[in-house]
Amino acid sequence: KAGVTQTPRYLIKTRGQQVTLSCSPISGHRSVSWYQQTPGQGLQFLFEYFSETQRNKGNFPGRFSGRQFSNSRSEMNVSTLELGDSALYLCASTDRGNSPLHFGNGTRLTVT
Amino acid sequence: QKEVEQNSGPLSVPEGAIASLNCTYSDRGSQSFFWYRQYSGKSPELIMFIYSNGDKEDGRFTAQLNKASQYVSLLIRDSQPSDSATYLCAVNRDNDMRFGAGTRLTVKP
Repeated sequence: KAGVTQTPRYLIKTRGQQVTLSCSPISGHRSVSWYQQTPGQGLQFLFEYFSETQRNKGNFPGRFSGRQFSNSRSEMNVSTLELGDSALYLCASTDRGNSPLHFGNGTRLTVT
Repeated sequence: QKEVEQNSGPLSVPEGAIASLNCTYSDRGSQSFFWYRQYSGKSPELIMFIYSNGDKEDGRFTAQLNKASQYVSLLIRDSQPSDSATYLCAVNRDNDMRFGAGTRLTVKP
């Protein structure tokens, strides 16, 4: 079974721009979660989607948004990028509630 | 108060020793508990999960859960240099998984 696939692996953007990150979960997994990881803050929960519905949301500003498609693939969008948005963005999927998350390799975003 | 707390370390143990990693959590309704290992520049990988009070063993790893004390631990027996990594404790309630900041473990040959 293929693992969680995130694209692109690396991104460099300028302040004020917007960015879209993509995540394809493990086949059969309907829950997709997104996390931001920075050296100072660790893994911070962004949101979780299941069957195209956002079920949980972390404490991030509205500039961070996401969506999930009918095939369970998910995208997250960050608008009006700030320097502090530079981080590793991780996507993870699972097949049922309270089960382990399986992580993708992440997208490293650098905002200049 | 942070939702999931871990000692950031670094924790240093000699090869062959037992490494003990600890984690406390604030939400009494937490339902499932996980330990992930993350090597530098890589994504987290699952080591163990535990749902019920007590111990759960898998090879050199033992997870311990005490819900009354809101405490989870991971023991690594016969530590190897390849175990050197950051260990993340994660706690899940209703499909919302929160992570601790991680403990950096170094195993010295």
